[in-house]
Order: sequence, then C-alpha cells, then structure tokens
Amino acid sequence: EAQVTQNPRYLITVTGKKLTVTCSQNMNHEYMSWYRQDPGLGLRQIYYSMNVEVTDKGDVPEGYKVSRKEKRNFPLILESPSPNQTSLYFCASTKGYGSPLHFGNGTRLTVT
Amino acid sequence: DAKTTQPTSMDCAEGRAANLPCNHSTISGNEYVYWYRQIHSQGPQYIIHGLKNNETNEMASLIITEDRKSSTLILPHATLRDTAVYYCIVRVANNAGNMLTFGGGTRLMVKP
Repeated sequence: EAQVTQNPRYLITVTGKKLTVTCSQNMNHEYMSWYRQDPGLGLRQIYYSMNVEVTDKGDVPEGYKVSRKEKRNFPLILESPSPNQTSLYFCASTKGYGSPLHFGNGTRLTVT
Repeated sequence: DAKTTQPTSMDCAEGRAANLPCNHSTISGNEYVYWYRQIHSQGPQYIIHGLKNNETNEMASLIITEDRKSSTLILPHATLRDTAVYYCIVRVANNAGNMLTFGGGTRLMVKP
C-alpha cells in the first residue's frame, strides 16, 4: 500500500533532549516536506526537500533540522527541543508538478 | 500562492449533497485549485484538484467558475464519515516543494 509512515505517533520529552521523528515513503516520490499544525495557525511548512541531498527552509524552520540521504527517508531533528515546539507534526510527499501531497498520520510531540 | 476564503463551518444532512464553496479571487492563470480534508487530527487527505475544467473522481466533484475566481467542492451523498475540516488551496503546478498554505478551512458536520 502506498503510504507515508511517521514514527513515533506520540512523543513526550523534556526541554533540551535531542529527538528525531522519522518519515518514510514507499512511492518513490522526489519531494518531501514537514509541517506543524497548531490551533488557530493551520498547517505551516517547516522544511522541504526536492531531491536527495537537496533541502530548503519553509515558513517556520527555526529550531529544526532535516536530512535527505535517501529518497525514501526524510527525518526531522530537534537538536534542543523547547516547549514552543509542542505541536502536531506531519510529513508529506509528492511526485511533484501538479501532483497531490500524501500525508503521514502525524506525530504529536509534547515538550515539557 | 493565492489566498483562499472559505466559510468557517457548514452542516449537511446525511445522504444529501454537501456543497463547499471557496473564493480565490486573486488566482493566477497557472495556479491549480486543490481540495484536502482532515478528519480529527489525522493527516490531511487529498480529495481532488483542477485548473479550469470541472473535475470528478470517486470522492467528489469540483466545479470551477469560468473566471476561476471561485470553486465548489461537491460531495454528492454525504455520510457521517465525511465530517471533517475541508481545505481549499491554490498553488502553482510546479511548486511541489514550496510552501502550501492550508488556512482555516471549512468544518463540515454531517448530521443523521
């Protein structure tokens, strides 16, 4: 089944403890991106990648890192999480050029 | 990407057609109209998209006005499982990786 898989679904951590949220897609899509969703603010893009080793900042990149060493994987890294990064995170992929985005089921992160 | 305006919420009786409007008066000639929906806190789900012709798939129909300044998503026979937030987005066809602004969407409540 074609899908975008994120892990973990739920994560509670403490301020400053590095964490990684994984994202994998099995559709051979070139384009992948990360979003965060907060009440009243909708979905905001954090980072996106147009191909292996090609990444760029989205609307709210501060405090996040990404890497794209393989086409299928696009992990989101929080080197030093802070409480304002408590949010619902979504990974998405698309083959591009007019094609729709496919989203993962989300990761709910709580930073205390 | 052009901005869109949608009603905050709508109700629909189960089994009836749900017509969800969207205004995108500043849409450019190369921008597509996309519709996604989000059920509870799951990942947004692609529904349909179009450029200027009306489109239909197994989920819905998309009617775009001749001047392309507005569109309507039609769910022909709404069910309780169609209760969700529906997002109308306009974006350039080759802008696959760049920011995708979801906005507030329309909260559709399908009632028995």
